[in-house]
Amino acid sequence: QQQVKQSPQSLIVQKGGISIINCAYENTAFDYFPWYQQFPGKGPALLIAIRPDVSEKKEGRFTISFNKSAKQFSLHIMDSQPGDSATYFCAARVLRRNDMRFGAGTRLTVKP
Amino acid sequence: EPEVTQTPSHQVTQMGQEVILRCVPISNHLYFYWYRQILGQKVEFLVSFYNNEISEKSEIFDDQFSVERPDGSNFTLKIRSTKLEDSAMYFCASSEERENTFGSGTRLTVV
Repeated sequence: QQQVKQSPQSLIVQKGGISIINCAYENTAFDYFPWYQQFPGKGPALLIAIRPDVSEKKEGRFTISFNKSAKQFSLHIMDSQPGDSATYFCAARVLRRNDMRFGAGTRLTVKP
Repeated sequence: EPEVTQTPSHQVTQMGQEVILRCVPISNHLYFYWYRQILGQKVEFLVSFYNNEISEKSEIFDDQFSVERPDGSNFTLKIRSTKLEDSAMYFCASSEERENTFGSGTRLTVV
């Protein structure tokens, strides 16, 4: 119930393409869904986050799509660039709790 | 831009020894966290700390672990008797409310 399942494990995209990473959850009490970007040797950095009362949030080239009934959410990276090559983690947290649950991560490689 | 600072960046310790990992959270943040990331695996929540006490902890955070805020700025994670399987990156994070800001981590190697 506390797990967040993320796919794919790795993704290779050509420069300019769209990168799509998917996550699914079971715990309907989750109410905050962030995506983190992690470069080698660094800590995760918040990229974009969404609450379940909206179906989509866009910030620049990054979009979260949220499907509450399916308990799924995804990250879309438009016009992917080599500098986007990193590991991406989805996460979820329960209202009024502080324990963030992370997906297993997706290693994205954007080829020039 | 304010950041979470962790020291040391890398620590090697012998199995059975105690280690203390140190963190300086962002100054106006009220919530503090420790996470662990075993090499190549997902980030795992260990513990959260608010108002000078633990607010949540995971099943990983057993009696070998403890946290402390010894003064107004530092936040520490102590592992009393390290095991080989404690080898991992340990990330400290802090937040005003929901959005965690992570430090760059301490790589702990237990030999």
